[in-house]
Amino acid sequence: GAGVSQSPRYKVAKRGQDVALRCDPISGHVSLFWYQQALGQGPEFLTYFQNEAQLDKSGLPSDRFFAERPEGSVSTLKIQRTQQEDSAVYLCASSPRQDTQYFGPGTRLTVL
Amino acid sequence: EDQVTQSPEALRLQEGESSSLNCSYTVSGLRGLFWYRQDPGKGPEFLFTLYSAGEEKEKERLKATLTKKESFLHITAPKPEDSATYLCAVRGTSYGKLTFGQGTILTVHP
Repeated sequence: GAGVSQSPRYKVAKRGQDVALRCDPISGHVSLFWYQQALGQGPEFLTYFQNEAQLDKSGLPSDRFFAERPEGSVSTLKIQRTQQEDSAVYLCASSPRQDTQYFGPGTRLTVL
Repeated sequence: EDQVTQSPEALRLQEGESSSLNCSYTVSGLRGLFWYRQDPGKGPEFLFTLYSAGEEKEKERLKATLTKKESFLHITAPKPEDSATYLCAVRGTSYGKLTFGQGTILTVHP
């Protein structure tokens, strides 16, 4: 079946612009995670949803970062007033429960 | 706070030269140790999950083992297509979030 998909794959933003990154999880997966991966580093946790409930947002670096999953399926990560330090790859993962996480290809965000 | 340290940072092997990658961890209440492979420009690809000390899992040329403090990913007779970054991650008691190490970049020369 289809894996996790993310769009766009690449995004270039001018500093101060708002961006929205989309994640389509594997159908039927209850849990959805967002991670941020800087160049040469491992992914770092941002936030976690179980169905439509955001149960953990402890990894969001500032109040400029906001995530939602209103119908318990597709999720959107929004970054307001982007800064250069927001440049990274944003990875989405889904899992059936608290089980193995399957990752999407990521969105590479570059803030100029 | 959960922590994961991987070594070495980079490893260069000749085709057929077996070796091991190390993952040291500290976690409160291990709920799983995960190995992923990541190719350039792609998301991490799941390899193994280990849950308890003494457990071992194998897949083709890869074998993962687990102790109470570390995990090893053994690569037997590697091929150039095994070249990738290998990531180790742990899941503790904080819901399902994974804590990753920085990865080991493996290069296998023909």
